[in-house]
Amino acid sequence: DSGVTQTPKHLITATGQRVTLRCSPRSGDLSVYWYQQSLDQGLQFLIQYYNGEERAKGNILERFSAQQFPDLHSELNLSSLELGDSALYFCASSVSEGGGETQYFGPGTRLLVL
Amino acid sequence: AQRVTQPEKLLSVFKGAPVELKCNYSYSGSPELFWYVQYSRQRLQLLLRHISRESIKGFTADLNKGETSFHLKKPFAQEEDSAMYYCALPSLYNFNKFYFGSGTKLNVKP
Repeated sequence: DSGVTQTPKHLITATGQRVTLRCSPRSGDLSVYWYQQSLDQGLQFLIQYYNGEERAKGNILERFSAQQFPDLHSELNLSSLELGDSALYFCASSVSEGGGETQYFGPGTRLLVL
Repeated sequence: AQRVTQPEKLLSVFKGAPVELKCNYSYSGSPELFWYVQYSRQRLQLLLRHISRESIKGFTADLNKGETSFHLKKPFAQEEDSAMYYCALPSLYNFNKFYFGSGTKLNVKP
């Protein structure tokens, strides 16, 4: 599958813990986006990287951080988890950067904080 | 603050009926607007984008700058159109930052 992949699919953890979500973009895509989707909410933009550099930041909590590695995969780190962090986390990739780019989405990681 | 509004959480129509999914945005300028769709058990995927001006699966969307709207329309809905639809646009200040609406669930009844 040459599409966007995300691991793990599901994650159950406890409050106060730290987790890492992983995203591999489509082959050739240089840009990676992270979104959070809570219950009954739309996708909330978290952060975007292009070729290893952070290019845009949304309302991402200080407890959250991300990076894009030289092989272009990205990781989203969530720490000191709270119940409200339970959500679906999507990763998307695009060939380049900019407002006109089509984003290709991964299947998402469902995080449940107990 | 920039915003994308999809006022309907759920829209139910009968097969063969026209459908219009509303999207309004707060933006001063000429935005690039997108409609993304998520069918059951599938990933979110691009349905159409303003700049392409093409019709996908019979859907069209017209940008109305006066009303700041980008409504998605189809003259005759099909059962396979049942899905979640999201309107999206990039930030005016950083084109890499995207705003998505809260989504409209379209249910096409037989």
